[in-house]
Amino acid sequence: DAKTTQPTSMDCAEGRAANLPCNHSTISGNEYVYWYRQIHSQGPQYIIHGLKNNETNEMASLIITEDRKSSTLILPHATLRDTAVYYCIVRSGVGTRPNFGNEKLTFGTGTRLTIIP
Amino acid sequence: DTGVSQNPRHKITKRGQNVTFRCDPISEHNRLYWYRQTLGQGPEFLTYFQNEAQLEKSRLLSDRFSAERPKGSFSTLEIQRTEQGDSAMYLCASSFTGSGANVLTFGAGSRLTVL
Repeated sequence: DAKTTQPTSMDCAEGRAANLPCNHSTISGNEYVYWYRQIHSQGPQYIIHGLKNNETNEMASLIITEDRKSSTLILPHATLRDTAVYYCIVRSGVGTRPNFGNEKLTFGTGTRLTIIP
Repeated sequence: DTGVSQNPRHKITKRGQNVTFRCDPISEHNRLYWYRQTLGQGPEFLTYFQNEAQLEKSRLLSDRFSAERPKGSFSTLEIQRTEQGDSAMYLCASSFTGSGANVLTFGAGSRLTVL
């Protein structure tokens, strides 16, 4: 799986949009970008994933650059409960199906996001 | 559906003792994963099962570690002759491959402290 690079830590004011960058310059054509977060003393929680198009769900938006070498996770209105470590992961699949191929998620050290009241 | 359940949540043991952790995945999930996490690090993959078959094991999974999923439902992770370096959070996750995204749902983890 491609290596990802994320800032070690970030702060964001409560109520503002939190933009978390991720570089994955060696990503290959069949690799998806996944984001998980881990709140203190809990297991990681899935947020969103995408291949090349921007994605949005009830938790966040994922913006992937056209060359797919980087992406940004956006939490539109950050709350104190969004304080967590955020992991950007690229993961291979076969064709357009991410459920085959390399099955494990390989976590880095992530970005520690702190929401400031 | 109560999510992924792990027991015990905390275990303190003396070096050299054996410990066993149990994971109950989401009932319809056919994949089950074990990860280990030490302080300040991201989770590290240990092994995963599809139904009862163990399909991949990390080199981190030494001979002292064994994982089973005998009936394709719950799984156990046993550590024999524990060492202080085994102190970590042991995370279990499950997923359903028929969903397309194979999103992993994690449990809260079992924290092991080896004295």
